[in-house]
Amino acid sequence: GAGVSQSPRYKVTKRGQDVALRCDPISGHVSLYWYRQALGQGPEFLTYFNYEAQQDKSGLPNDRFSAERPEGSISTLTIQRTEQRDSAMYRCASGESGGAYTGELFFGEGSRLTVL
Amino acid sequence: DQQVKQNSPSLSVQEGRISILNCDYTNSMFDYFLWYKKYPAEGPTFLISISSIKDKNEDGRFTVFLNKSAKHLSLHIVPSQPGDSAVYFCAAKAVRGGSQGNLIFGKGTKLSVKP
Repeated sequence: GAGVSQSPRYKVTKRGQDVALRCDPISGHVSLYWYRQALGQGPEFLTYFNYEAQQDKSGLPNDRFSAERPEGSISTLTIQRTEQRDSAMYRCASGESGGAYTGELFFGEGSRLTVL
Repeated sequence: DQQVKQNSPSLSVQEGRISILNCDYTNSMFDYFLWYKKYPAEGPTFLISISSIKDKNEDGRFTVFLNKSAKHLSLHIVPSQPGDSAVYFCAAKAVRGGSQGNLIFGKGTKLSVKP
């Protein structure tokens, strides 16, 4: 597609349920990032991939959060046993190159998660 | 502990005047800096960047200045236009060392340009 696509755009779930958020990056982009953004805050780094390899997952808050990008394209961020504090906008971004890449990241419109 | 700080949550400027948005960082490994702009209900979009080997980068109405010794950068917009009203995020990464891909964002500054 022309841009980074994320789904669902909005997700409301009950506490304790698992959720999966999907990111479809720009075709051919090497790097893929996941960020979480609370209201009034900047994007908070969660994890990133170069191709299918997860390079850095230091930003994942705890072991309920995981991400994968098995074929080096689409990525899924999974949150198990959701809690109310997980409510936020989850943003995906992709870049043409990986690692020491100094070009821009292209962000999707985000998936807004609300945990009741 | 915030590695990238934007201490002004908001800024209001008259159309035609200069807007100056500030950003401070604490990690001396950061060597590449970017500014992103975000409109409501949209994802952030790239605006301008600067490498630590430079102290200034200019692109049209937008100029970014970097003061490495002070660990400070600023974005100047001149002349400011109402369409510049948005949230501006400063971001930094360590290209040559550390966690190379990890792009760290500040909390953002909301710029309002009044006609």
